[in-house]
Amino acid sequence: DAGVTQSPTHLIKTRGQQVTLRCSPKSGHDTVSWYQQALGQGPQFIFQYYEEEERQRGNFPDRFSGHQFPNYSSELNVNALLLGDSALYLCASSRQGDYSPLHFGNGTRLTVT
Amino acid sequence: EDQVTQSPEALRLQEGESSSLNCSYTVSGLRGLFWYRQDPGKGPEFLFTLYSAGEEKEKERLKATLTKKESFLHITAPKPEDSATYLCAVQARGYGGATNKLIFGTGTLLAVQP
Repeated sequence: DAGVTQSPTHLIKTRGQQVTLRCSPKSGHDTVSWYQQALGQGPQFIFQYYEEEERQRGNFPDRFSGHQFPNYSSELNVNALLLGDSALYLCASSRQGDYSPLHFGNGTRLTVT
Repeated sequence: EDQVTQSPEALRLQEGESSSLNCSYTVSGLRGLFWYRQDPGKGPEFLFTLYSAGEEKEKERLKATLTKKESFLHITAPKPEDSATYLCAVQARGYGGATNKLIFGTGTLLAVQP
């Protein structure tokens, strides 16, 4: 049973560029959440997608946007990259309304130079 | 505002030396408190969920407990392979069955020396 998979594992971009990160949820899960984890910090909630709609959003600017596809997979897009966007981006999946814990992928390490 | 504070930031133990990690929280209606383990360069790995004060969960050398204001992760006779960052997170009750976001602490970096 495949868990949460994310791609790519590492990415280097230049300030001002745009980036797209991808996530496939664990089998049987329909809800995808994205988190940003800066070095030495805990993960910070970006947003959550369910039924192809953004359901909740954390304190992140509109440069951060996302999408969920009919097969429940998801993308995170970040426009106009800043140096401060360098972080580990984690995708987590769950079943809506289910009291099971979030399952995390191993993340995408984004470096902005 | 929902908030999680973990202490200590870092902890170094000798193999076999038991200790506890602390997680203090404030949340508007707790649905669950979660403990995760995170190895370098990896995503968080789920350990425990606690739902109400007085609840305890155990897994191998780890035991998690919950009160109305804090949670403890007790590590009994740790081994070097227990070295990792331990993250605590809370989830507030959602509406209409919605799965709410997790609020994480900054973690405790545990190093167990042989």
